[in-house]
Amino acid sequence: QKEVEQDPGPLSVPEGAIVSLNCTYSNSAFQYFMWYRQYSRKGPELLMYTYSSGNKEDGRFTAQVDKSSKYISLFIRDSQPSDSATYLCAMSAEVLTGGGNKLTFGTGTQLKVEL
Amino acid sequence: DAGVIQSPRHEVTEMGQEVTLRCKPISGHDYLFWYRQTMMRGLELLIYFNNNVPIDDSGMPEDRFSAKMPNASFSTLKIQPSEPRDSAVYFCASSPRLSGNTIYFGEGSWLTVV
Repeated sequence: QKEVEQDPGPLSVPEGAIVSLNCTYSNSAFQYFMWYRQYSRKGPELLMYTYSSGNKEDGRFTAQVDKSSKYISLFIRDSQPSDSATYLCAMSAEVLTGGGNKLTFGTGTQLKVEL
Repeated sequence: DAGVIQSPRHEVTEMGQEVTLRCKPISGHDYLFWYRQTMMRGLELLIYFNNNVPIDDSGMPEDRFSAKMPNASFSTLKIQPSEPRDSAVYFCASSPRLSGNTIYFGEGSWLTVV
């Protein structure tokens, strides 16, 4: 079993829809949770960052972390064609645990927002 | 800032040949990471450096892979001899500190071994 599981999609939605992307994980040591966006033939770029449990909102994007369920989500409101990309969740443990802060990535969910 | 710069962007090589991928991190960043991305396995950390010193190479798949960082502005990832299963996108990334929220990726080197 992988440490981080993510549905690869593809996920196709109409413009304006609310998109929900999710990851589950097995490592209880993970404390930092991130979402990266990767456009075709480009490197990943950081979209959202959350520490421990809770919600974080940034414009049309909301990240949620539920550590008790080992489940994280990214919501995109009013989705736009420019949101079409692959979304990767990533996680890392506390530096003090000795695990370093190496990122463990999900395999990514491919999203297409159609006009 | 120009960001993390990788070369070559695309490489097609024959099985058994040596492949060298190059990376210039963002100036002032203390950490440099090499990742490999495939459809099946996603993004995997191969190795990372702190202040030019390799810290963790546990992700390097086998002895055919080696990485060096001779100075703060340059790193290489070598595969010798290359095999078709090495075909992937190799990303270099850099960070000003060991914190997941500040890692910046290059645009990747697309490697095909035939």
